Amino acid sequence: EVQLVESGGGLVQPGGSLRLSCAVSGFIFSDHHMDWVRQAPGKGLEWVARSRKKGNNYITHYAASVQGRFIISRDDSERSLYLQMNSLKIEDTAVYYCVRDSMSWAFDIWGQGTMVTVSS
Amino acid sequence: IQLTQSPSSLSASVGDRVTITCRASQGISSHLAWYQQKPGKAPNLLIYTASTLQSGVPSRFSGSGSGTDFTLTISSLQPEDFATYYCQQLDSYPLTFGPGTKVEIK
Repeated sequence: EVQLVESGGGLVQPGGSLRLSCAVSGFIFSDHHMDWVRQAPGKGLEWVARSRKKGNNYITHYAASVQGRFIISRDDSERSLYLQMNSLKIEDTAVYYCVRDSMSWAFDIWGQGTMVTVSS
Repeated sequence: IQLTQSPSSLSASVGDRVTITCRASQGISSHLAWYQQKPGKAPNLLIYTASTLQSGVPSRFSGSGSGTDFTLTISSLQPEDFATYYCQQLDSYPLTFGPGTKVEIK
């Protein structure tokens, strides 16, 4: 069964850091670009970051709102995706989803999401 | 690339034909996907490359368009279709989603 399981969410103070993890199973992880998408409470979806696959030299891309503060990374041997979040702001409060790119111009598999709350 | 969706919300009855429009601020070829999201759940892929139905998605869902104008159509609305629908462009970075269309029960 194809599965993405996020972990690492929680409550953090403004300016703090948090590292999200996504454990993958059921497909060849190294064949896919992987992304993080977030959703603030009551709001729409916002793409956060992408880690392209090995064949694309693991190039990363970021939304302007997180550029310079967040770092996406992956470990193909561990079948895991990560999001290191630094200098967190209140507006980073959201459910964070780990997402698989289908390699056909879509996000076809989503994790259940992990909640990140930035508050003092 | 900015995506706009219209309407932002709609009320419809079971059996109605529903059409949602997504417009891109510049051409994105057919690099557009549609998702359905129900409260408290992760989004679910419905349509990719503007008009290709994702495996397992009912055939009452269809998509069309290319360039800047796209449409998601539900041919006969079912009770389980009441949800929020998002379009997404994957043509260029940053990847972006539309603001969503909430489909409610009339």
